[in-house]
Amino acid sequence: DGGITQSPKYLFRKEGQNVTLSCEQNLNHDAMYWYRQDPGQGLRLIYYSQIVNDFQKGDIAEGYSVSREKKESFPLTVTSAQKNPTAFYLCASSIVGNRGAFFGQGTRLTVV
Amino acid sequence: AQSVTQLGSHVSVSEGALVLLRCNYSSSVPPYLFWYVQYPNQGLQLLLKYTSAATLVKGINGFEAEFKKSETSFHLTKPSAHMSDAAEYFCAVSVGNDYKLSFGAGTTVTVRA
Repeated sequence: DGGITQSPKYLFRKEGQNVTLSCEQNLNHDAMYWYRQDPGQGLRLIYYSQIVNDFQKGDIAEGYSVSREKKESFPLTVTSAQKNPTAFYLCASSIVGNRGAFFGQGTRLTVV
Repeated sequence: AQSVTQLGSHVSVSEGALVLLRCNYSSSVPPYLFWYVQYPNQGLQLLLKYTSAATLVKGINGFEAEFKKSETSFHLTKPSAHMSDAAEYFCAVSVGNDYKLSFGAGTTVTVRA
């Protein structure tokens, strides 16, 4: 079955550590996105990529980094520079030229 | 820049009653508009989308939405609420050539038996 797989579902991080969230899709979509979700704030765009080896900052990119070495994969690293990383992170993908996106099941990151 | 505003962060309805969720958009160019649903600790599922064809859009699970340019609105309705409709609903807009979505703050729906 085609879809988007995010792993792990739950992640705990100590303050000062970097952590990487995985996102893999087998939908053959060109574009991939990372969103952060906080209660009462909807979803905010962190980074997005329309083609391999290229990506753009979204609205809240500070403290995050990404790579897009393969079409299927778009990992997100939450660095120690992110002051408030506890949140629900959602990865999405879409066909460039086709509006709307498919979402993964999310990763809940908690800083302990 | 484009944006959406969802009126009401919480809506409570009785089972069998009308569900009405309000969304207003702001965009200087014709927008593409979407409604998504999210169940607890899950990803988002697309309910329906407006892409400049018919102004009344029918989606999954009995939901529909009407695009009204004069009111800059894209309200979501369902004639008869079911217990399974309890979830959070997000309105989103997309414009331009980067295809990214901008989301509203969300509306949580509870359904009373």
